[in-house]
Order: sequence, then structure tokens, then C-alpha cells
Amino acid sequence: EPEVTQTPSHQVTQMGQEVILRCVPISNHLYFYWYRQILGQKVEFLVSFYNNEISEKSEIFDDQFSVERPDGSNFTLKIRSTKLEDSAMYFCASMSGQNTGELFFGEGSRLTVL
Amino acid sequence: GENVEQHPSTLSVQEGDSAVIKCTYSDSASNYFPWYKQELGKRPQLIIDIRSNVGEKKDQRIAVTLNKTAKHFSLHITETQPEDSAVYFCAASITGGSYIPTFGRGTSLIVHP
Repeated sequence: EPEVTQTPSHQVTQMGQEVILRCVPISNHLYFYWYRQILGQKVEFLVSFYNNEISEKSEIFDDQFSVERPDGSNFTLKIRSTKLEDSAMYFCASMSGQNTGELFFGEGSRLTVL
Repeated sequence: GENVEQHPSTLSVQEGDSAVIKCTYSDSASNYFPWYKQELGKRPQLIIDIRSNVGEKKDQRIAVTLNKTAKHFSLHITETQPEDSAVYFCAASITGGSYIPTFGRGTSLIVHP
């Protein structure tokens, strides 16, 4: 069964460093998402991506964040200059079509900023 | 935007008991309500969903109810088993357009054998 894969599973970085989290969505899916979950808190929407561009982003997704799909398979989230409060589990998800509703999640990338 | 509240944050039951997790939402336009289960160290996976044109849906030991007037929906698990132990997330969304599910905080269900 096809799955969304994420790398790395865990990354530790120093404050101010750039981080790239990678995701490979399910191949025939059209909609892609990044969510994050700070420990003990809600799963928060960051950004959605469709047709090679951002379709929606939350207020969390400021200028320090960017996403791209450079080669038609990978879907990356970049944090330019990490802050302590960026420490969280980051989930990538994909969806096949707009009216199906089901998101398929990756296993998450845990980011720890020291 | 949509706001989803989920209760309780932790639920501890004995094997065989029933468990109920409740969620409320704020946007009356929301029409799709999925529930995801996340076992320890694994990815969240859809276990059941309900659309706004029905009030209840059942799949073996799990069921979801929806009250559109009150804007709340609930997950019911009967005859709980230890393998039901996981974190459960509810979500609310509007299908079509910019589909952005809003998630609740999650409920950690612990089923004691």
C-alpha cells in the first residue's frame, strides 16, 4: 500500500540554523500539506500546496518558512533560521482529490531546536 | 477560521468498557468530520468519518455521531481492547475549495487489560 514518507525522522539543530524537512507524497495525489504539533498541543495547519503553488497558509507560516516541490515527487519544508519555538513534530500529508477528504500522513519529523 | 475543541485530553478505561471522545466545532459551514488514530510512534490514520448529511455512522466497534445544530460530534468505541490504546484526533473541514482540515488537540486513550 502506498505511503507518505518523511525524512529525517528526528533532527536536532542549533537555533538560527536552516532546516529542510523532506516528504514524498503518494504518487497520484494532488494536494499536499504540512502540519506541526508542538508537544501536548493541537495539530496545527501550516501550509497547503496544489498545482505547484501554495494554496493556503496559516499565520504560523511566516517568511521563515518556505515549501517547494522541486522534482515532482519530493515536497520540502524549509525553515530558514530556526527558533526554539519551532521545536515540534512536523507532519506531511497528501490527499488524492478535493472531495475525498482523507489525508494520508507521513510518520512525522521531530525537530528539536537547541 | 474554524476552531475545534476536543475532550477529554486523556481517557483511561478498562478492557471491555466503552469510550467516548467529544469534539465541538465553530464553523457551521463545515461538512466533513474525520477521525484519525495515531498509535505510538506511527502515523495518524483515518479510522472513520462522517459527512454533514448523516447523523450517525458505524463501523464494527466504532461509531461517530454528528449534531449539526449543536456543532458537535463524537467518537464511540465499544468493547475496548488494549490495541485501541492510541491518540485519537478529530477534525472538521469544508470539502471543495481550499480544503484545510482543522484538528482537535487529541485524546490519549489508554485501555487497561
